[in-house]
Amino acid sequence: AQTVTQSQPEMSVQEAETVTLSCTYDTSESDYYLFWYKQPPSRQMILVIRQEAYKQQNATENRFSVNFQKAAKSFSLKISDSQLGDAAMYFCAYQGANSGYALNFGKGTSLLVTP
Amino acid sequence: GAVVSQHPSWVICKSGTSVKIECRSLDFQATTMFWYRQFPKQSLMLMATSNEGSKATYEQGVEKDKFLINHASLTLSTLTVTSAHPEDSSFYICSASGRGYGYTFGSGTRLTVV
Repeated sequence: AQTVTQSQPEMSVQEAETVTLSCTYDTSESDYYLFWYKQPPSRQMILVIRQEAYKQQNATENRFSVNFQKAAKSFSLKISDSQLGDAAMYFCAYQGANSGYALNFGKGTSLLVTP
Repeated sequence: GAVVSQHPSWVICKSGTSVKIECRSLDFQATTMFWYRQFPKQSLMLMATSNEGSKATYEQGVEKDKFLINHASLTLSTLTVTSAHPEDSSFYICSASGRGYGYTFGSGTRLTVV
């Protein structure tokens, strides 16, 4: 079974600064997808960014970018120019055929943004 | 964009009663629906996967007779918690997947059993 590990239960960043959230995963599959989801206090799951494993280029969405290291099975999220609205739980998730394409989530990282 | 409507957003029920949670895909056909459970300050745990017109596939440790899942149409899936007990109190979230639409989450249902 695939496992997703987020080793940072909580992170803090000052407004306008940059923060990186870590995620590692374990899999025997060669083709899969990786995601970062944001869950604010409303608990609505919001897709932040998506990465296909077959793509070498790191995904970018405005202030959000990933560092995807396939050999190391690492998938970190970088948030640039942090804003107060970025404060939330962030979940790393894995999707592959072996799990029926269900999302397998890490335990999450709580991001605090200070003024 | 793709929208999944989940109802109710919160529900309180008495121990021993049943509760039904609905998830509807409003603007796309959800061929697959995933149901997750989330305890406070914890991650989402997959409970079951359902494909339209087929029986749901439950994850290990999830009681299929307690958590009844129906996915009779491409736009509606329901989760019924039968004979609910306080330990079933949790946050339940559905996620719909359709061809070309990736994953779309419902807004979740907070269930409290008293």
